[in-house]
Amino acid sequence: KQEVTQIPAALSVPEGENLVLNCSFTDSAIYNLQWFRQDPGKGLTSLLLIQSSQREQTSGRLNASLDKSSGRSTLYIAASQPGDSATYLCAVYVPKANQAGTALIFGKGTTLSVSS
Amino acid sequence: DTGVSQDPRHKITKRGQNVTFRCDPISEHNRLYWYRQTLGQGPEFLTYFQNEAQLEKSRLLSDRFSAERPKGSFSTLEIQRTEQGDSAMYLCASSEGGVAHQPQHFGDGTRLSIL
Repeated sequence: KQEVTQIPAALSVPEGENLVLNCSFTDSAIYNLQWFRQDPGKGLTSLLLIQSSQREQTSGRLNASLDKSSGRSTLYIAASQPGDSATYLCAVYVPKANQAGTALIFGKGTTLSVSS
Repeated sequence: DTGVSQDPRHKITKRGQNVTFRCDPISEHNRLYWYRQTLGQGPEFLTYFQNEAQLEKSRLLSDRFSAERPKGSFSTLEIQRTEQGDSAMYLCASSEGGVAHQPQHFGDGTRLSIL
């Protein structure tokens, strides 16, 4: 059974710091991995999606890496800002037997607080 | 692209009542997903539609839960005889069809509180 773990559960940093959020998964048979942001009481906003054949994706100050063989991904946030404060969720797409669809398996998230 | 829309945003009801939530996906997306999220946890998959066909259901979806997508557009999730443990955020997501691993786009969810 696929399990996704995110470390740390919470992180507080001063504005301007670079930081890394970690995600690990137990089964390397994934289609891809997606990082989301969730603000309190809100839905999920997709940040980056890395296909299983890729090693990393970048968007602005965000860089996500994927090492499928070791079951790890990292989300790097450069020059953090107070507006980056949110919960960051990692999720993997797992193939289903009938190939008719996929399920997203989520970690519990890392809650980031950036102070000014 | 107006995004995924969910209604209502909040629902408070007494234990034992029935509730129904609605999800309007992004218009060109033929895949629709329901998830449930409790406090401090990541979302958990409930069920998945491709067009009007419900192709997958999680074991979390007890017989008190039913989901429909009658015309392959909007979807409803009904919970009958609600219980305290049903209190959660119910999230809907949609994605394009074709290749299985298209990114899912989420709505803002319906927060259900059972008194």
